[in-house]
Amino acid sequence: GENVEQHPSTLSVQEGDSAVIKCTYSDSASNYFPWYKQELGKRPQLIIDIRSNVGEKKDQRIAVTLNKTAKHFSLHITETQPEDSAVYFCAASIRWDYGGSQGNLIFGKGTKLSVKP
Amino acid sequence: KAGVTQTPRYLIKTRGQQVTLSCSPISGHRSVSWYQQTPGQGLQFLFEYFSETQRNKGNFPGRFSGRQFSNSRSEMNVSTLELGDSALYLCASSLATSGGARTGELFFGEGSRLTVL
Repeated sequence: GENVEQHPSTLSVQEGDSAVIKCTYSDSASNYFPWYKQELGKRPQLIIDIRSNVGEKKDQRIAVTLNKTAKHFSLHITETQPEDSAVYFCAASIRWDYGGSQGNLIFGKGTKLSVKP
Repeated sequence: KAGVTQTPRYLIKTRGQQVTLSCSPISGHRSVSWYQQTPGQGLQFLFEYFSETQRNKGNFPGRFSGRQFSNSRSEMNVSTLELGDSALYLCASSLATSGGARTGELFFGEGSRLTVL
C-alpha cells in the first residue's frame, strides 16, 4: 500500500521567511496530493491540493510543487506570519481522471511549523 | 450548513473496556472516513464507509470496527481497550459519486479524545 514520508517533523522560522515542507510517496499510481493544516486544538483543514497532471500550483502565499519522477511533492509558504504556525500534513491517494478518489487518503506524520514574530 | 459532528468529545476508559464513537457527516456527504491521531504518528487511516459498506480498511487489529447507517451517520467501536489506544479519533466526510468514489475534500470533525487508563 501507499506510504507517505514527511520531513522535517518540526520547523521553526522567523516571521517573513519562507518555509518548505517535503513529502515522498511510494505508490506510483497515486495522483492526488492534498495538504492539510491543523491549528492547535482544531480540526485539520485542506489548504491546497495538486494533481499529477500539473507540476505546480499557487494560492497567494502558498504553493505546492510535484515531481512525479522522483515521487515527491513539497509545500512552500512565503512571507510567513505567526498565524501560519500549525501542524501541516501532506497526503496521497489515487484519483480517477473523471473524478472521484478510490483507496485510502494516506497522510504523512506531520510537520509542526513555528513562526517566530 | 452544519459541519461534521463527533460525540463524545472527551472520554476516559480503563483497559479492557470498550468504547463507541459517533460521527454525523455534513448533510449530503455519503463517504465517511475514520483516522487515529497520536503524537508523532500523524493521521493513521482506520476505515472508510460508503452506503453502509466498508470500502477500505487500514492496518489496525480487529478490535477496531465500524459501521455506517442508512442516513450516512457512522460509528466506530474499539473493544478490549489498551493503553496504546489513547488518541484523538477523527471522523471526516466527503461528497462521493454513486459508486462511492470521493469527489471532494475531506471535512474533519473536531474529534473524540479517548484516554485509556
